[in-house]
Amino acid sequence: ELKVEQNPLFLSMQEGKNYTIYCNYSTTSDRLYWYRQDPGKSLESLFVLLSNGAVKQEGRLMASLDTKARLSTLHITAAVHDLSATYFCIYGGSQGNLIFGKGTKLSVKP
Amino acid sequence: EAGVAQSPRYKIIEKRQSVAFWCNPISGHATLYWYQQILGQGPKLLIQFQNNGVVDDSQLPKDRFSAERLKGVDSTLKIQPAKLEDSAVYLCASSPTAEREQFFGPGTRLTVL
Repeated sequence: ELKVEQNPLFLSMQEGKNYTIYCNYSTTSDRLYWYRQDPGKSLESLFVLLSNGAVKQEGRLMASLDTKARLSTLHITAAVHDLSATYFCIYGGSQGNLIFGKGTKLSVKP
Repeated sequence: EAGVAQSPRYKIIEKRQSVAFWCNPISGHATLYWYQQILGQGPKLLIQFQNNGVVDDSQLPKDRFSAERLKGVDSTLKIQPAKLEDSAVYLCASSPTAEREQFFGPGTRLTVL
Protein backbone atom coordinates (compact mmCIF):
# COMPACT_ATOMS: atom_id res chain seq x y z
CA GLU A 1 0.00 0.00 0.00
CA LEU A 2 1.31 3.40 -0.97
CA LYS A 3 2.15 5.60 1.99
CA VAL A 4 3.02 9.27 2.18
CA GLU A 5 4.39 10.24 5.56
CA GLN A 6 4.99 13.79 6.63
CA ASN A 7 6.74 14.96 9.73
CA PRO A 8 6.30 16.76 11.86
CA LEU A 9 2.50 16.93 11.83
CA PHE A 10 2.50 19.99 14.04
CA LEU A 11 5.14 22.69 14.04
CA SER A 12 5.25 25.80 16.17
CA MET A 13 7.98 28.21 15.13
CA GLN A 14 9.25 31.55 16.18
CA GLU A 15 9.39 34.24 13.56
CA GLY A 16 12.81 34.49 11.97
CA LYS A 17 13.70 30.83 12.52
CA ASN A 18 14.40 28.15 9.93
CA TYR A 19 12.86 24.72 9.76
CA THR A 20 12.34 21.77 7.42
CA ILE A 21 9.28 19.61 6.84
CA TYR A 22 10.01 16.09 5.62
CA CYS A 23 7.96 13.89 3.33
CA ASN A 24 8.71 10.23 2.74
CA TYR A 25 6.82 8.10 0.27
CA SER A 26 6.89 4.38 -0.24
CA THR A 27 6.70 3.94 -4.03
CA THR A 28 8.83 5.45 -6.76
CA SER A 29 7.30 8.54 -8.26
CA ASP A 30 8.48 11.20 -10.63
CA ARG A 31 6.02 13.75 -9.35
CA LEU A 32 5.70 15.27 -5.95
CA TYR A 33 3.64 18.30 -5.03
CA TRP A 34 3.47 20.70 -2.13
CA TYR A 35 0.20 22.49 -1.45
CA ARG A 36 -0.81 25.01 1.18
CA GLN A 37 -4.19 25.22 2.89
CA ASP A 38 -5.27 28.13 5.07
CA PRO A 39 -7.97 27.46 7.69
CA GLY A 40 -11.38 27.24 6.07
CA LYS A 41 -9.91 27.73 2.62
CA SER A 42 -9.11 25.50 -0.32
CA LEU A 43 -5.73 24.20 -1.41
CA GLU A 44 -3.17 26.28 -3.23
CA SER A 45 -0.38 24.76 -5.28
CA LEU A 46 3.09 25.78 -4.12
CA PHE A 47 5.54 23.54 -5.94
CA VAL A 48 5.53 20.82 -8.56
CA LEU A 49 8.65 18.64 -8.44
CA LEU A 50 9.07 16.49 -11.51
CA SER A 51 12.52 14.93 -11.38
CA ASN A 52 15.25 13.69 -9.11
CA GLY A 53 17.26 16.56 -7.70
CA ALA A 54 14.57 19.13 -8.49
CA VAL A 55 14.76 22.21 -6.32
CA LYS A 56 12.28 25.06 -6.44
CA GLN A 57 12.13 28.25 -4.41
CA GLU A 58 9.45 30.83 -3.88
CA GLY A 59 10.04 33.53 -1.32
CA ARG A 60 10.88 31.95 2.02
CA LEU A 61 9.97 28.43 0.90
CA MET A 62 12.20 25.97 -0.89
CA ALA A 63 11.22 22.46 -1.93
CA SER A 64 13.42 19.61 -3.09
CA LEU A 65 12.98 16.07 -4.34
CA ASP A 66 15.25 13.04 -3.99
CA THR A 67 13.56 10.20 -5.84
CA LYS A 68 16.22 7.67 -4.90
CA ALA A 69 15.67 8.30 -1.20
CA ARG A 70 11.91 8.77 -1.82
CA LEU A 71 12.15 11.98 0.12
CA SER A 72 10.96 15.52 -0.42
CA THR A 73 11.63 18.44 1.86
CA LEU A 74 10.02 21.84 2.32
CA HIS A 75 12.45 24.27 3.92
CA ILE A 76 11.25 27.45 5.58
CA THR A 77 13.71 30.29 5.89
CA ALA A 78 13.23 33.13 8.37
CA ALA A 79 9.60 32.28 9.05
CA VAL A 80 6.96 35.01 9.17
CA HIS A 81 3.41 34.86 10.55
CA ASP A 82 1.88 34.82 7.06
CA LEU A 83 3.33 31.36 6.52
CA SER A 84 1.04 29.90 9.18
CA ALA A 85 -1.06 27.26 7.38
CA THR A 86 -1.24 23.53 6.79
CA TYR A 87 1.23 22.20 4.23
CA PHE A 88 0.52 19.01 2.33
CA CYS A 89 3.02 16.79 0.63
CA ILE A 90 1.31 14.96 -2.20
CA TYR A 91 2.46 12.02 -4.26
CA GLY A 92 1.47 12.01 -7.92
CA GLY A 93 0.18 8.68 -9.17
CA SER A 94 0.64 7.41 -12.68
CA GLN A 95 -2.93 8.27 -13.67
CA GLY A 96 -2.89 11.71 -12.16
CA ASN A 97 -4.40 10.70 -8.85
CA LEU A 98 -2.97 12.35 -5.76
CA ILE A 99 -2.11 10.61 -2.51
CA PHE A 100 -1.98 13.13 0.31
CA GLY A 101 0.20 13.15 3.36
CA LYS A 102 -1.58 14.01 6.61
CA GLY A 103 -0.36 17.58 6.43
CA THR A 104 1.87 19.67 8.66
CA LYS A 105 0.11 22.37 10.61
CA LEU A 106 2.55 25.25 10.89
CA SER A 107 2.09 28.03 13.41
CA VAL A 108 4.53 30.94 13.32
CA LYS A 109 4.56 33.01 16.45
CA PRO A 110 6.02 36.47 16.95
CA GLU B 1 -8.51 32.99 -15.92
CA ALA B 2 -11.48 31.93 -13.80
CA GLY B 3 -10.82 29.29 -11.20
CA VAL B 4 -12.75 26.16 -10.28
CA ALA B 5 -16.26 27.08 -9.18
CA GLN B 6 -18.29 25.10 -6.70
CA SER B 7 -21.77 25.49 -5.24
CA PRO B 8 -23.25 25.62 -2.76
CA ARG B 9 -20.49 26.73 -0.39
CA TYR B 10 -22.32 25.47 2.67
CA LYS B 11 -25.08 22.92 3.17
CA ILE B 12 -26.78 21.60 6.28
CA ILE B 13 -29.05 18.58 6.01
CA GLU B 14 -30.54 15.92 8.23
CA LYS B 15 -29.32 12.35 8.03
CA ARG B 16 -31.08 10.25 5.40
CA GLN B 17 -31.71 13.31 3.25
CA SER B 18 -30.18 13.77 -0.19
CA VAL B 19 -27.77 16.45 -1.32
CA ALA B 20 -26.03 17.42 -4.54
CA PHE B 21 -22.93 19.48 -5.19
CA TRP B 22 -21.95 21.16 -8.42
CA CYS B 23 -18.51 21.86 -9.89
CA ASN B 24 -17.46 23.89 -12.91
CA PRO B 25 -13.80 23.27 -13.74
CA ILE B 26 -11.36 25.63 -15.38
CA SER B 27 -12.15 25.92 -19.06
CA GLY B 28 -10.30 23.37 -21.14
CA HIS B 29 -9.32 21.14 -18.24
CA ALA B 30 -9.95 17.53 -19.23
CA THR B 31 -9.45 15.98 -15.81
CA LEU B 32 -11.82 16.58 -12.91
CA TYR B 33 -11.58 15.26 -9.36
CA TRP B 34 -13.87 15.13 -6.34
CA TYR B 35 -12.29 14.87 -2.89
CA GLN B 36 -13.70 14.48 0.60
CA GLN B 37 -11.85 16.27 3.39
CA ILE B 38 -12.87 15.42 6.92
CA LEU B 39 -11.90 17.99 9.54
CA GLY B 40 -8.25 17.68 10.51
CA GLN B 41 -7.38 15.25 7.71
CA GLY B 42 -5.99 15.47 4.22
CA PRO B 43 -8.33 15.22 1.25
CA LYS B 44 -9.31 11.76 0.06
CA LEU B 45 -10.01 11.15 -3.62
CA LEU B 46 -13.57 10.04 -4.30
CA ILE B 47 -13.64 10.00 -8.09
CA GLN B 48 -11.55 11.09 -11.05
CA PHE B 49 -12.96 11.88 -14.51
CA GLN B 50 -11.09 12.17 -17.77
CA ASN B 51 -13.46 14.17 -19.97
CA ASN B 52 -16.77 12.43 -19.26
CA GLY B 53 -15.31 9.01 -18.45
CA VAL B 54 -14.49 7.67 -14.99
CA VAL B 55 -10.79 6.91 -14.43
CA ASP B 56 -10.85 6.02 -10.74
CA ASP B 57 -13.82 5.63 -8.39
CA SER B 58 -12.32 2.98 -6.14
CA GLN B 59 -12.90 5.00 -2.96
CA LEU B 60 -16.38 6.22 -3.79
CA PRO B 61 -19.03 4.64 -1.51
CA LYS B 62 -21.20 3.63 -4.40
CA ASP B 63 -24.13 2.54 -2.26
CA ARG B 64 -24.82 6.19 -1.45
CA PHE B 65 -22.54 8.40 -3.53
CA SER B 66 -22.82 9.02 -7.26
CA ALA B 67 -21.13 11.43 -9.61
CA GLU B 68 -21.43 12.35 -13.23
CA ARG B 69 -19.73 14.63 -15.69
CA LEU B 70 -22.03 14.96 -18.62
CA LYS B 71 -20.52 16.53 -21.74
CA GLY B 72 -17.11 16.44 -20.09
CA VAL B 73 -17.42 19.86 -18.45
CA ASP B 74 -19.50 20.44 -15.30
CA SER B 75 -19.85 17.73 -12.72
CA THR B 76 -22.27 16.88 -9.93
CA LEU B 77 -21.68 14.76 -6.85
CA LYS B 78 -24.72 13.36 -5.05
CA ILE B 79 -25.17 11.71 -1.69
CA GLN B 80 -28.34 9.72 -1.10
CA PRO B 81 -29.06 9.07 1.75
CA ALA B 82 -26.60 11.07 3.82
CA LYS B 83 -25.06 9.75 7.02
CA LEU B 84 -23.57 11.66 9.93
CA GLU B 85 -20.06 10.58 8.89
CA ASP B 86 -20.49 12.32 5.54
CA SER B 87 -19.99 15.66 7.27
CA ALA B 88 -16.93 17.05 5.52
CA VAL B 89 -15.72 19.53 2.96
CA TYR B 90 -16.14 18.31 -0.60
CA LEU B 91 -13.47 19.68 -2.89
CA CYS B 92 -13.51 19.73 -6.65
CA ALA B 93 -10.26 20.06 -8.59
CA SER B 94 -9.34 20.13 -12.25
CA SER B 95 -6.19 19.87 -14.33
CA PRO B 96 -5.40 20.20 -18.03
CA THR B 97 -4.28 16.58 -18.13
CA ALA B 98 -3.89 13.89 -15.48
CA GLU B 99 -0.15 14.53 -15.17
CA ARG B 100 -0.39 18.25 -14.50
CA GLU B 101 -0.94 20.01 -11.19
CA GLN B 102 -4.48 20.28 -9.93
CA PHE B 103 -6.37 23.49 -9.21
CA PHE B 104 -8.83 23.29 -6.37
CA GLY B 105 -12.17 24.98 -5.93
CA PRO B 106 -13.27 26.63 -2.67
CA GLY B 107 -15.12 23.52 -1.51
CA THR B 108 -18.60 22.78 -0.17
CA ARG B 109 -18.87 22.34 3.58
CA LEU B 110 -21.53 19.72 4.35
CA THR B 111 -22.96 19.26 7.83
CA VAL B 112 -25.20 16.26 8.41
CA LEU B 113 -27.30 16.48 11.58
